[in-house]
Amino acid sequence: QLQLQESGPGLVKPSETLSLTCTVSGGSISSSNYYWGWIRQPPGKGLEWIGSMDYRGNTYSNPSLKSRLTISVDTSKNHFSLKLSSVTATDTTVYYCARWNSGYYGSGSYFKSPVDLWGQGILVTVSS
Amino acid sequence: QSVLTQPPSASGTPGQRVTISCSGSSSNIGTNTVNWYQQLPGTAPKLLIYNNNQRPSGVPDRFSGSKSGTSASLAISGLQSEDEATYYCATWDDSLNAWVFGGGTKLTVL
Repeated sequence: QLQLQESGPGLVKPSETLSLTCTVSGGSISSSNYYWGWIRQPPGKGLEWIGSMDYRGNTYSNPSLKSRLTISVDTSKNHFSLKLSSVTATDTTVYYCARWNSGYYGSGSYFKSPVDLWGQGILVTVSS
Repeated sequence: QSVLTQPPSASGTPGQRVTISCSGSSSNIGTNTVNWYQQLPGTAPKLLIYNNNQRPSGVPDRFSGSKSGTSASLAISGLQSEDEATYYCATWDDSLNAWVFGGGTKLTVL
Protein backbone atom coordinates (compact mmCIF):
# COMPACT_ATOMS: atom_id res chain seq x y z
CA GLN A 1 0.00 0.00 0.00
CA LEU A 2 1.33 3.38 -1.01
CA GLN A 3 2.38 5.63 1.85
CA LEU A 4 3.74 9.13 2.24
CA GLN A 5 6.26 10.20 4.87
CA GLU A 6 7.45 13.74 5.54
CA SER A 7 10.97 14.44 6.73
CA GLY A 8 13.01 17.51 7.52
CA PRO A 9 14.09 19.79 10.35
CA GLY A 10 11.52 20.57 12.98
CA LEU A 11 13.06 23.95 13.75
CA VAL A 12 13.95 26.70 11.29
CA LYS A 13 15.27 30.17 12.05
CA PRO A 14 13.37 33.26 10.88
CA SER A 15 14.37 34.48 7.40
CA GLU A 16 15.84 31.10 6.53
CA THR A 17 14.49 28.48 4.10
CA LEU A 18 12.24 25.68 5.26
CA SER A 19 12.99 22.43 3.41
CA LEU A 20 10.88 19.28 3.60
CA THR A 21 10.87 16.04 1.68
CA CYS A 22 8.05 13.56 1.21
CA THR A 23 9.07 10.00 0.44
CA VAL A 24 6.61 7.88 -1.52
CA SER A 25 6.79 4.20 -0.62
CA GLY A 26 4.87 1.23 -1.95
CA GLY A 27 4.31 2.72 -5.39
CA SER A 28 5.66 4.98 -8.09
CA ILE A 29 5.56 8.74 -8.10
CA SER A 30 5.48 8.68 -11.91
CA SER A 31 1.83 8.41 -12.81
CA SER A 32 -0.08 10.76 -15.04
CA ASN A 33 -3.01 10.57 -12.63
CA TYR A 34 -1.18 12.00 -9.64
CA TYR A 35 -0.29 15.43 -8.40
CA TRP A 36 1.96 15.62 -5.38
CA GLY A 37 2.03 18.52 -3.01
CA TRP A 38 1.71 20.11 0.36
CA ILE A 39 -1.00 21.32 2.72
CA ARG A 40 -0.35 22.96 6.06
CA GLN A 41 -2.28 23.43 9.27
CA PRO A 42 -1.37 25.77 12.13
CA PRO A 43 -1.89 24.00 15.46
CA GLY A 44 -5.56 24.06 16.31
CA LYS A 45 -6.53 25.77 13.06
CA GLY A 46 -7.72 24.99 9.56
CA LEU A 47 -6.08 23.66 6.41
CA GLU A 48 -4.20 25.74 3.85
CA TRP A 49 -3.10 24.50 0.44
CA ILE A 50 0.52 25.30 -0.35
CA GLY A 51 1.11 23.87 -3.82
CA SER A 52 1.09 20.80 -6.06
CA MET A 53 3.12 19.36 -8.91
CA ASP A 54 2.98 16.37 -11.23
CA TYR A 55 6.01 14.26 -12.19
CA ARG A 56 6.30 16.10 -15.51
CA GLY A 57 6.77 19.46 -13.81
CA ASN A 58 3.32 21.02 -14.11
CA THR A 59 3.04 23.13 -10.97
CA TYR A 60 0.25 24.90 -9.15
CA SER A 61 1.06 27.21 -6.23
CA ASN A 62 -0.96 29.13 -3.69
CA PRO A 63 -0.71 32.74 -4.93
CA SER A 64 -0.14 33.94 -1.37
CA LEU A 65 2.99 31.78 -1.08
CA LYS A 66 4.15 31.57 -4.69
CA SER A 67 6.97 34.11 -4.41
CA ARG A 68 8.62 32.08 -1.63
CA LEU A 69 7.75 28.59 -2.79
CA THR A 70 9.58 25.88 -4.70
CA ILE A 71 8.11 22.42 -5.17
CA SER A 72 10.05 19.74 -7.00
CA VAL A 73 9.65 16.08 -7.83
CA ASP A 74 12.55 13.62 -8.06
CA THR A 75 11.37 10.53 -9.87
CA SER A 76 14.71 8.76 -9.42
CA LYS A 77 14.36 8.94 -5.64
CA ASN A 78 10.56 8.61 -5.66
CA HIS A 79 10.18 11.68 -3.52
CA PHE A 80 9.07 15.28 -3.78
CA SER A 81 10.17 18.35 -1.89
CA LEU A 82 9.05 21.71 -0.56
CA LYS A 83 11.20 24.77 -0.07
CA LEU A 84 9.71 27.88 1.52
CA SER A 85 12.03 30.82 1.78
CA SER A 86 12.15 33.80 4.14
CA VAL A 87 10.08 32.09 6.80
CA THR A 88 8.50 33.90 9.72
CA ALA A 89 6.65 32.76 12.82
CA THR A 90 3.44 32.55 10.78
CA ASP A 91 4.97 29.65 8.89
CA THR A 92 5.00 27.62 12.10
CA THR A 93 2.52 24.84 11.31
CA VAL A 94 2.10 21.16 10.68
CA TYR A 95 3.02 20.40 7.09
CA TYR A 96 1.30 17.49 5.33
CA CYS A 97 2.43 16.00 2.08
CA ALA A 98 -0.45 14.79 -0.03
CA ARG A 99 -1.51 13.16 -3.28
CA TRP A 100 -4.20 14.53 -5.54
CA ASN A 101 -5.59 11.72 -7.67
CA SER A 102 -7.21 12.81 -10.93
CA GLY A 103 -7.88 9.18 -11.76
CA TYR A 104 -9.76 8.55 -8.54
CA TYR A 105 -13.10 8.52 -10.28
CA GLY A 106 -12.03 9.11 -13.82
CA SER A 107 -12.41 12.87 -13.91
CA GLY A 108 -8.97 13.28 -15.43
CA SER A 109 -8.85 16.78 -14.06
CA TYR A 110 -6.54 18.05 -11.35
CA PHE A 111 -9.17 20.65 -10.47
CA LYS A 112 -11.69 17.95 -9.67
CA SER A 113 -9.25 15.67 -7.85
CA PRO A 114 -9.64 14.72 -4.23
CA VAL A 115 -6.64 14.33 -1.94
CA ASP A 116 -6.82 10.61 -1.43
CA LEU A 117 -3.54 10.12 0.42
CA TRP A 118 -1.92 12.11 3.22
CA GLY A 119 1.33 11.89 5.10
CA GLN A 120 1.21 11.84 8.87
CA GLY A 121 2.34 15.46 9.07
CA ILE A 122 5.42 17.15 10.47
CA LEU A 123 5.48 20.12 12.82
CA VAL A 124 7.87 22.84 11.79
CA THR A 125 8.54 25.66 14.21
CA VAL A 126 10.07 28.93 13.08
CA SER A 127 12.04 30.40 15.94
CA SER A 128 15.46 31.78 16.67
CA GLN B 1 -11.04 34.04 7.28
CA SER B 2 -11.69 30.98 5.12
CA VAL B 3 -13.02 31.26 1.58
CA LEU B 4 -15.55 28.52 2.33
CA THR B 5 -17.77 29.09 5.35
CA GLN B 6 -18.56 26.30 7.77
CA PRO B 7 -20.10 26.48 11.23
CA PRO B 8 -17.28 26.14 13.78
CA SER B 9 -19.10 23.50 15.76
CA ALA B 10 -21.90 20.98 15.62
CA SER B 11 -23.19 18.38 18.02
CA GLY B 12 -25.57 15.50 18.33
CA THR B 13 -26.41 12.49 20.40
CA PRO B 14 -25.72 8.91 19.34
CA GLY B 15 -28.12 7.79 16.65
CA GLN B 16 -29.06 11.30 15.59
CA ARG B 17 -28.60 12.84 12.16
CA VAL B 18 -26.33 15.86 11.87
CA THR B 19 -25.75 18.15 8.91
CA ILE B 20 -22.72 20.36 8.31
CA SER B 21 -22.97 23.16 5.78
CA CYS B 22 -20.30 24.66 3.55
CA SER B 23 -21.03 27.94 1.82
CA GLY B 24 -19.00 29.33 -1.06
CA SER B 25 -19.43 31.33 -4.23
CA SER B 26 -19.80 31.01 -7.98
CA SER B 27 -16.04 30.78 -8.46
CA ASN B 28 -15.60 27.77 -6.21
CA ILE B 29 -18.53 25.56 -5.14
CA GLY B 30 -20.73 26.99 -7.87
CA THR B 31 -18.34 25.72 -10.53
CA ASN B 32 -16.33 22.87 -9.11
CA THR B 33 -16.81 19.63 -7.23
CA VAL B 34 -16.66 19.51 -3.45
CA ASN B 35 -14.67 17.10 -1.32
CA TRP B 36 -15.06 16.51 2.39
CA TYR B 37 -12.35 15.41 4.80
CA GLN B 38 -12.58 14.00 8.30
CA GLN B 39 -9.80 14.76 10.75
CA LEU B 40 -9.74 12.74 13.94
CA PRO B 41 -7.84 14.33 16.84
CA GLY B 42 -4.09 14.17 16.38
CA THR B 43 -4.23 12.59 12.92
CA ALA B 44 -4.02 13.64 9.29
CA PRO B 45 -7.24 14.35 7.43
CA LYS B 46 -8.90 11.51 5.57
CA LEU B 47 -11.02 11.69 2.43
CA LEU B 48 -14.66 11.23 3.35
CA ILE B 49 -16.67 12.41 0.33
CA TYR B 50 -15.47 13.26 -3.19
CA ASN B 51 -17.17 14.63 -6.29
CA ASN B 52 -19.91 16.22 -4.13
CA ASN B 53 -21.60 13.01 -3.03
CA GLN B 54 -19.40 9.97 -3.63
CA ARG B 55 -17.99 7.84 -0.83
CA PRO B 56 -14.56 6.22 -1.04
CA SER B 57 -14.40 2.52 -0.42
CA GLY B 58 -14.59 1.83 3.29
CA VAL B 59 -16.54 4.94 4.25
CA PRO B 60 -19.86 3.94 5.84
CA ASP B 61 -23.04 4.90 4.02
CA ARG B 62 -24.03 6.86 7.13
CA PHE B 63 -22.01 9.66 5.51
CA SER B 64 -23.51 11.48 2.56
CA GLY B 65 -22.79 14.66 0.66
CA SER B 66 -24.80 17.01 -1.47
CA LYS B 67 -24.34 20.22 -3.38
CA SER B 68 -26.77 22.88 -4.53
CA GLY B 69 -25.70 26.10 -6.20
CA THR B 70 -22.90 27.64 -4.17
CA SER B 71 -23.41 25.51 -1.07
CA ALA B 72 -22.63 21.96 -0.06
CA SER B 73 -23.60 19.81 2.88
CA LEU B 74 -22.32 16.79 4.70
CA ALA B 75 -24.85 14.64 6.51
CA ILE B 76 -24.05 12.02 9.10
CA SER B 77 -26.86 9.74 10.13
CA GLY B 78 -26.87 7.24 12.98
CA LEU B 79 -24.25 9.32 14.77
CA GLN B 80 -21.59 7.33 16.61
CA SER B 81 -18.99 8.36 19.17
CA GLU B 82 -16.24 7.54 16.68
CA ASP B 83 -17.58 10.30 14.40
CA GLU B 84 -16.28 12.92 16.82
CA ALA B 85 -13.83 14.79 14.62
CA THR B 86 -13.34 17.98 12.64
CA TYR B 87 -14.81 18.04 9.15
CA TYR B 88 -13.52 20.18 6.28
CA CYS B 89 -15.02 20.96 2.89
CA ALA B 90 -12.70 21.77 -0.01
CA THR B 91 -12.87 22.72 -3.65
CA TRP B 92 -10.91 24.53 -6.36
CA ASP B 93 -11.47 28.26 -6.73
CA ASP B 94 -11.28 29.50 -10.33
CA SER B 95 -10.75 33.14 -9.31
CA LEU B 96 -8.07 32.54 -6.72
CA ASN B 97 -6.48 29.70 -8.72
CA ALA B 98 -6.16 27.79 -5.49
CA TRP B 99 -7.58 24.93 -3.52
CA VAL B 100 -9.71 26.41 -0.78
CA PHE B 101 -10.91 24.87 2.44
CA GLY B 102 -13.63 25.61 4.89
CA GLY B 103 -12.56 26.60 8.37
CA GLY B 104 -13.61 23.23 9.71
CA THR B 105 -16.53 22.08 11.84
CA LYS B 106 -15.77 20.32 15.09
CA LEU B 107 -18.39 17.67 15.69
CA THR B 108 -19.09 16.64 19.26
CA VAL B 109 -21.07 13.50 20.05
CA LEU B 110 -22.84 14.19 23.32
